[in-house]
Amino acid sequence: NAGVMQNPRHLVRRRGQEARLRCSPMKGHSHVYWYRQLPEEGLKFMVYLQKENIIDESGMPKERFSAEFPKEGPSILRIQQVVRGDSAAYFCASSPQRGNEQYFGPGTRLTVT
Amino acid sequence: GQNIDQPTEMTATEGAIVQINCTYQTSGFNGLFWYQQHAGEAPTFLSYNVLDGLEEKGRFSSFLSRSKGYSYLLLKELQMKDSASYLCAVRDRGSQGNLIFGKGTKLSVKP
Repeated sequence: NAGVMQNPRHLVRRRGQEARLRCSPMKGHSHVYWYRQLPEEGLKFMVYLQKENIIDESGMPKERFSAEFPKEGPSILRIQQVVRGDSAAYFCASSPQRGNEQYFGPGTRLTVT
Repeated sequence: GQNIDQPTEMTATEGAIVQINCTYQTSGFNGLFWYQQHAGEAPTFLSYNVLDGLEEKGRFSSFLSRSKGYSYLLLKELQMKDSASYLCAVRDRGSQGNLIFGKGTKLSVKP
């Protein structure tokens, strides 16, 4: 049973470009969470999605960030017009139901130059 | 407000026992989680407490006191591979399921 998969593992973007981060949840999991981890900081919740629905986006910056989890395919976290402060590790987690323990993917390390 | 506190760093000796404390202040409570995270890797689930008391799982145990807003993770028979960051996370009762994480405790196990 494959775990949570994220790609790419490393992503380098210049300021102003777009970054697309992908997350495929564990088989049988329909709940996806995105977290951001800055150096020496804890994981910060960004957004919680179920298939085709955004359930909670209270942790998402109001501008430039968006997320989706379509009926088919992976969940996508999209960052438009990236800035240096967006450099971080972005982790995706999935769970079979709301409230169950969350299983994390390996993360995408975004570097903005 | 929401606040999760845990020590920044700890050092222990191989074969020993170490206790990592976590205190929390949240507007509600619906479970406390411990995760292990090796440098550059994903957090991996260790334990879950929602009721007061001790949960034991092999070399790892986790304790919760809801009235005190306090938990600890106990690691026995330490091994070098236990060197990692240990993350305490709380699910607020009002949350949709997302977790509020502390900054993590970096544990170094020395021979």
